[in-house]
Amino acid sequence: SQTIHQWPATLVQPVGSPLSLECTVEGTSNPNLYWYRQAAGRGLQLLFYSVGIGQISSEVPQNLSASRPQDRQFILSSKKLLLSDSGFYLCAWSVKWGRVREDPNYGYTFGSGTRLTVV
Amino acid sequence: EDKVVQSPLSLVVHEGDTVTLNCSYEVTNFRSLLWYKQEKKAPTFLFMLTSSGIEKKSGRLSSILDKKELSSILNITATQTGDSAIYLCAVEDRGAQKLVFGQGTRLTINP
Repeated sequence: SQTIHQWPATLVQPVGSPLSLECTVEGTSNPNLYWYRQAAGRGLQLLFYSVGIGQISSEVPQNLSASRPQDRQFILSSKKLLLSDSGFYLCAWSVKWGRVREDPNYGYTFGSGTRLTVV
Repeated sequence: EDKVVQSPLSLVVHEGDTVTLNCSYEVTNFRSLLWYKQEKKAPTFLFMLTSSGIEKKSGRLSSILDKKELSSILNITATQTGDSAIYLCAVEDRGAQKLVFGQGTRLTINP
């Protein structure tokens, strides 16, 4: 079965420090990968998505960047964190469109999230 | 730009009440609409609605897609305290393989 790992679960970083959040998927190949950010109690904002190694689409101009060095690895980074980068970051994966999707998760499976506090 | 709007943003009801959550969308090339429930961390999938499947039901939860009005509703009957959560609506854009979410509705069920 497919699983998605995201770490760390919580992170407190000072303003101006670098950031690296990692997400890996097991049990599938060539997935679509996504990074979302969620403000407190609100919806998910799509930050980046990737349909293949080295292919990154950015949805929102910001202080963050993403990379996909391996098929099942997706990394969210920042060179210098801002206070406004605080939030709950979620990684997700899905099968390629055109493949059969099975319930219950329809292929959009989320990691357990990283709560980032920039101080 | 794809857009998903949910209402209300927050709702507080008593146990046993019936609630209706709303979701409207603007998307260039609609593929599907999804509902998720988020209690603490990762959102969990509830329903997927498409042109060929505009109504879904699971227990006390049901959802309908109105493609003319570009909207969907999520109904929860006989609510329980365990239904307290953030409910998220999202749409898939056929032009790009991504899921765009609304702001979510925070539902609180009081005993």
